[in-house]
Amino acid sequence: ETGVTQSPTHLIKTRGQQVTLRCSSQSGHNTVSWYQQALGQGPQFIFQYYREEENGRGNFPPRFSGLQFPNYSSELNVNALELDDSALYLCASSWDRMNYGYTFGSGTRLTVV
Amino acid sequence: DQQVKQNSPSLSVQEGRISILNCDYTNSMFDYFLWYKKYPAEGPTFLISISSIKDKNEDGRFTVFLNKSAKHLSLHIVPSQPGDSAVYFCAASIGSQGNLIFGKGTKLSVKP
Repeated sequence: ETGVTQSPTHLIKTRGQQVTLRCSSQSGHNTVSWYQQALGQGPQFIFQYYREEENGRGNFPPRFSGLQFPNYSSELNVNALELDDSALYLCASSWDRMNYGYTFGSGTRLTVV
Repeated sequence: DQQVKQNSPSLSVQEGRISILNCDYTNSMFDYFLWYKKYPAEGPTFLISISSIKDKNEDGRFTVFLNKSAKHLSLHIVPSQPGDSAVYFCAASIGSQGNLIFGKGTKLSVKP
């Protein structure tokens, strides 16, 4: 399987709810990073997983959490959604953690109302 | 507190001419820099990178220049083509495996 696939493409949630976003990486990609891109901004690093362990975290609260699975899929979970969580969420994977090797998915557009 | 700044939100260039996209950074610890291109409804695509031990890197029509003393880098596209029309993001990291810090992007329009 080639490319990085994210689901769903669009999602609307109510403030206070919980959401799970999914990412399916290329086979062999043992590193996955998640980014949040607010409107008019560049992507902002949330966290990275390497071989199913968290390997770095940006300036995001603990209600943002993740999982990486042995089958090269991963999840981003956000609890207690706030209006400011509305953004495009991007997943990027690579096989060796090298930045130039990242393949990005098309993202999930989350709207919190 | 933006560590990577792209001060031009947009740039319009005629086909065949040179496009120059600029990026400034404030964190002197950054030593690896990348440019990404993003089309609507797609994820960013890696374009070209440069390590701080170099001041220039070329790949076909794309050249990135790094001025460490000025904490400035630029992406040159020569000649520009209509298919280059996209949003270009500058990103920086500490080490080639560090998490990426992105600028806000510059929307390039190449007119036929």
